[in-house]
Amino acid sequence: EVQLVESGGRLVRPGGSLRLSCAASGFIVTNAYMTWVRQAPGKGLEWVGRIKSKSHGGTTEHAAAVKGRFTISRDDSRNTLYLQMNGLRSEDTALYYCGGMGYWGRGTLVTVSS
Amino acid sequence: QIVVTQEPSLTVSPGGTVTLTCASSTGPVTSNYYTDWFQQKPGQPPRTLISSTTIKQSWTPARFSGSLLGGKAALTLSGVQPEDEADYYCLLFYRDIQVFGGGTKLTVL
Repeated sequence: EVQLVESGGRLVRPGGSLRLSCAASGFIVTNAYMTWVRQAPGKGLEWVGRIKSKSHGGTTEHAAAVKGRFTISRDDSRNTLYLQMNGLRSEDTALYYCGGMGYWGRGTLVTVSS
Repeated sequence: QIVVTQEPSLTVSPGGTVTLTCASSTGPVTSNYYTDWFQQKPGQPPRTLISSTTIKQSWTPARFSGSLLGGKAALTLSGVQPEDEADYYCLLFYRDIQVFGGGTKLTVL
């Protein structure tokens, strides 16, 4: 059974950093395009970025709103996807979902507030 | 900066047919935009319905289909069920990034 479980979300001050994790089971993240999306309270989905499968180069792409502040990475030994978030702003407050192979986790909540 | 536009809301009767569309500010949507479609119900994560314009997931009901229609990506629901009431989002690939549409709130009434 495929499962994605996000973790790491919490309350953080503006300008702070946070690393989100997405533990996968039932498939190998190295072989998949993995994606982070977010959803601010009461708003629509927003694409954050993705990492290509290893066979397609394993490169990353990030949305303009987070480029230079957020970084997607992957630990193949842990079958886990990460989202390193630096320079957090109030507008980054959202539920963050990871997805791959058509599956999605239930999300982890990031709140940026003083 | 690409802007992706969907109908904000649509209403359909049970058993009816409805088409949701997804337009790009860059011009006609083609297969090269690799459109994905997602369904989201309140308090739940997104659920992938369609990938790469037309490819259904194993769990996607047969009444859902994806296509290109009049320069837009389209999601058609034929024989709508009450449980199809949800928000629907398209996701386009464009120049190494992906962008969501604003979503369509589908009401089954």
